[in-house]
Amino acid sequence: EAGVAQSPRYKIIEKRQSVAFWCNPISGHATLYWYQQILGQGPKLLIQFQNNGVVDDSQLPKDRFSAERLKGVDSTLKIQPAKLEDSAVYLCASSPRGGGGNEQFFGPGTRLTVL
Amino acid sequence: DQQVKQNSPSLSVQEGRISILNCDYTNSMFDYFLWYKKYPAEGPTFLISISSIKDKNEDGRFTVFLNKSAKHLSLHIVPSQPGDSAVYFCAARGFSGNTGKLIFGQGTTLQVKP
Repeated sequence: EAGVAQSPRYKIIEKRQSVAFWCNPISGHATLYWYQQILGQGPKLLIQFQNNGVVDDSQLPKDRFSAERLKGVDSTLKIQPAKLEDSAVYLCASSPRGGGGNEQFFGPGTRLTVL
Repeated sequence: DQQVKQNSPSLSVQEGRISILNCDYTNSMFDYFLWYKKYPAEGPTFLISISSIKDKNEDGRFTVFLNKSAKHLSLHIVPSQPGDSAVYFCAARGFSGNTGKLIFGQGTTLQVKP
């Protein structure tokens, strides 16, 4: 079974530029998560999708971050414009169902550096 | 407001000895606790979990203990092996309405020396 795929693996941009990340979850997984992991901290949930609907985006900075999940499969996370403090690893995870728990499978992440 | 805390950023142990990683939490409504393991350039992978109605769960070399009165859990690895060297995250499941989500601690870097 293929795991969660993410691209790109690394991205370097200057502040005020835009950037987008892509995630392909495990086939058949209904729930998709985007996390932000800042160096020295644990992953922080940004947004959770159930199929193609948003169930939790309470910690998503909506003035600059946006995310969508088309047709309940792939997802993109966009930052526009980026700030220095957005430098982090962005992790995508998926699970067969919602509710958190051990059935979350993580991708390798995208390391973003904002200069 | 850090609801899940791992106060030790790093831990170094000798191969074959016991590794004990600690985690404290503040929210008594958390119903499920998990440990994830993360190698460099990889995403976290699930290691072991425990329900809030239990006080111990064991899986091979890994045992998680939960002390609800102290709001504390720990992960024991016996015996420790060099391949266990990684960052370990403690996570707790909370609910917002009907939606559960994981809240992670800051992580503890474990180094097992041969």
